[in-house]
Amino acid sequence: DVVLTQTPPTLSATIGQSVSISCRSSQSLLHSNGNTYLHWLLQRPGQSPQLLIYLVSRLESGVPNRFSGSGSGTDFTLKISGVEAEDLGVYYCVQGTHAPRTFGGGTKLELK
Amino acid sequence: EVQLVESGGSLVQPGGSLKLSCVASGFTFSNYWMDWVRQTPGKSLEWIGEINTDGSKTNYAPSIKDRFTISRDNAKSTLYLQMSNVKSDDTAIYYCTREGAYWGQGTLVTVSS
Repeated sequence: DVVLTQTPPTLSATIGQSVSISCRSSQSLLHSNGNTYLHWLLQRPGQSPQLLIYLVSRLESGVPNRFSGSGSGTDFTLKISGVEAEDLGVYYCVQGTHAPRTFGGGTKLELK
Repeated sequence: EVQLVESGGSLVQPGGSLKLSCVASGFTFSNYWMDWVRQTPGKSLEWIGEINTDGSKTNYAPSIKDRFTISRDNAKSTLYLQMSNVKSDDTAIYYCTREGAYWGQGTLVTVSS
């Protein structure tokens, strides 16, 4: 199975600070069809995960543009340009290129 | 808007059975593979299985293979998870997801005597 390693596991930030989360894959996530099925999710406390970014860098409708995704192959990054209080929670990367679908271990974003 | 609403979670005894449902709306259900994912308290996410668009193909995680069955009714836009011979380790919040991107609110399954 593909292993997704997220770093850091915990991130402390102040409001307005820009932060980045890394997701590294044990295999390339480039599918034979040319797509890279790497998405980013946010799980706020007490809620289910919600989609932020899909296919590496595409912003889900309704998600603020302070969120951005980048990367290719095995290395991916989620950036938040100016953390807001509503961004607190656990961020997960998830891949769907290789079966079975796998998830990163999560990065908890908390207020400093 | 994509919406997924799970139901059916409850307290069940070890060795018992339970059937979860997930009603989908806001998209053409029959066009998408669907997954079940679970999350134990304070832990990460565990993919447990998937089903193809017409229900003819399923894949399962080894941890639940031969105990859980995923099915779907495209006419009702509904996904199912039949759980059998449940164990305490199956205690979790169960989510249905559309290909790991869109998620329901989850339903809690507690396995305890």
